[in-house]
Amino acid sequence: NAGVMQNPRHLVRRRGQEARLRCSPMKGHSHVYWYRQLPEEGLKFMVYLQKENIIDESGMPKERFSAEFPKEGPSILRIQQVVRGDSAAYFCASSARGSLFTDTQYFGPGTRLTVL
Amino acid sequence: AQKVTQAQTEISVVEKEDVTLDCVYETRDTTYYLFWYKQPPSGELVFLIRRNSFDEQNEISGRYSWNFQKSTSSFNFTITASQVVDSAVYFCALSEAGSGGYQKVTFGTGTKLQVIP
Repeated sequence: NAGVMQNPRHLVRRRGQEARLRCSPMKGHSHVYWYRQLPEEGLKFMVYLQKENIIDESGMPKERFSAEFPKEGPSILRIQQVVRGDSAAYFCASSARGSLFTDTQYFGPGTRLTVL
Repeated sequence: AQKVTQAQTEISVVEKEDVTLDCVYETRDTTYYLFWYKQPPSGELVFLIRRNSFDEQNEISGRYSWNFQKSTSSFNFTITASQVVDSAVYFCALSEAGSGGYQKVTFGTGTKLQVIP
């Protein structure tokens, strides 16, 4: 049973370019969460999605960042016009249900974004 | 708002020593979950344990043990007879219900453990 997959593992972009990060949840999981880890810091929640729906995007910057989880295919975190401050590790997690009482979030290996 | 504090930024121990990683949390909810994750140098996050707020029993898994004390809002993690492979950053995390009843997780800043051979 494959775990959460993220690609690319490493991504280098120049300032002003777009970054697209992909996340394929574990088989059978329909809930996806994105987190950002700045250097020397813990993970910070960005957005929670179910298939075709954004449930909570309270942790995502209002500009330049967007996320989707289409009916078919992986979840995508898109960062437009990247700046140096976007350099971080971006982790995706998935769970079978969104329920607090029965769920554990399983994390992917992360995508390390470097903005030059 | 929920908060997780891991006051120890870095710890170094010599192999075979025991080490305890501290975690203190804040929450207004009566129902919540606590987690520990390990992040080895390779960078991925490895799930170690989940504990719900109603279960204060300590747990032991091999060389790992967890001490959950609601009275002090702490969920400490002890590694017995540490090994070099334990070297990693360890994150404590807290989840409580988000606005839609889903699991919303807050992470501490992590404790970097270095086990010296």
